[in-house]
Amino acid sequence: RKEVEQDPGPFNVPEGATVAFNCTYSNSASQSFFWYRQDCRKEPKLLMSVYSSGNEDGRFTAQLNRASQYISLLIRDSKLSDSATYLCVVNPLRNTDKLIFGTGTRLQVFP
Amino acid sequence: NAGVTQTPKFQVLKTGQSMTLQCAQDMNHEYMSWYRQDPGMGLRLIHYSVGAGITDQGEVPNGYNVSRSTTEDFPLRLLSAAPSQTSVYFCASSSVPTTVMNTEAFFGQGTRLTVV
Repeated sequence: RKEVEQDPGPFNVPEGATVAFNCTYSNSASQSFFWYRQDCRKEPKLLMSVYSSGNEDGRFTAQLNRASQYISLLIRDSKLSDSATYLCVVNPLRNTDKLIFGTGTRLQVFP
Repeated sequence: NAGVTQTPKFQVLKTGQSMTLQCAQDMNHEYMSWYRQDPGMGLRLIHYSVGAGITDQGEVPNGYNVSRSTTEDFPLRLLSAAPSQTSVYFCASSSVPTTVMNTEAFFGQGTRLTVV
């Protein structure tokens, strides 16, 4: 079983739609959780951290379910510019920078 | 702001050649890492460093060496290139471990390496 698993997609949605991605992780002791965005042939960039209580940043909402070991990302009112690959990222250890990446979920927003 | 700078951006090597991928950051970050990204595999950690003079292996270290003589630089050396090392390589840095809430890892623009 992979340490971090994501549905690769692609998710094809129209502008204005709401779309949600889930990601599961295998290490129950994992310390921190993130969603990164990666545009085609570019480097990953932090979209948002995922807090235990859930958090929102504009149209983006991230949630963590430790009991079921998954995190989610909800995008409301999708824009064409949201088209990218969304990487679920977990740091399973304290005091290191050993990020574990999912393979990513590709989102394509069409007009 | 330069951030994390990787050179070269593209490289073609012949099997058996050696080379060094350069990574430099100007943010005074202690934590630096090297990842490779392959289709369907996600990014995988090769080596990482928690400060000058300290390095450790990640998930896929074989065939690669690193050193961290300064805070700014974290070069990745391919000892004897193999076709299996064809990949996109990313260097990343952060000021504190990413276990600290809301810590961002900053990535360089990547090096696309082809080994023939």
